[in-house]
Amino acid sequence: AQSVTQPDIHITVSEGASLELRCNYSYGATPYLFWYVQSPGQGLQLLLKYFSGDTLVQGIKGFEAEFKRSQSSFNLRKPSVHWSDAAEYFCAVGYARTDSWGKLQFGAGTQVVVTP
Amino acid sequence: GAVVSQHPSRVICKSGTSVKIECRSLDFQATTMFWYRQFPKQSLMLMATSNEGSKATYEQGVEKDKFLINHASLTLSTLTVTSAHPEDSSFYICSARGVALSGANVLTFGAGSRLTVL
Repeated sequence: AQSVTQPDIHITVSEGASLELRCNYSYGATPYLFWYVQSPGQGLQLLLKYFSGDTLVQGIKGFEAEFKRSQSSFNLRKPSVHWSDAAEYFCAVGYARTDSWGKLQFGAGTQVVVTP
Repeated sequence: GAVVSQHPSRVICKSGTSVKIECRSLDFQATTMFWYRQFPKQSLMLMATSNEGSKATYEQGVEKDKFLINHASLTLSTLTVTSAHPEDSSFYICSARGVALSGANVLTFGAGSRLTVL
């Protein structure tokens, strides 16, 4: 069975500082990996995704993530956070099999707080 | 492109009544839709997978008679919470999987529906 772990429940970062959110997955084959952001009371916004190819993925809002097969990780990074980046961030893993593509398992989420 | 509309965004109902939530793909055909629920300050949990024209597949522990899912067309899936109780209060989010006009595979989430059962 696949699983995804976000070790950090809560992260506080100063505006302008760098941010890294951790995500580890367990899956028998190469997974599809996603990072979503959710503001309070809102739906999900896709930041970036990895299916195959280049292991460094660029997303929206200045975010990037790196797929490391050897570490079963897909960590999200941003060089300089803005106050508007305060939100809940979810890592998700999806099945690569065609019939189950799109069925996602989400991590517990990481709450990011940005201080002035 | 690849927009999913979810309606209503918020609904309040009395205990014992039924509530229907709609999930529509606006500019692509969604062969499969997924329904998730999210309790406050928790993650999203998959409830069921619905394929157009067939019965939904429910995840373990999800009562199929309580959460009725219909996917009658390639652009619409509905989730009906029957005989709702306060413990059903949650944020329900759908996602749709399909092929855009460009030919690319798409997976898009709706904005979610906040259900409060009094």
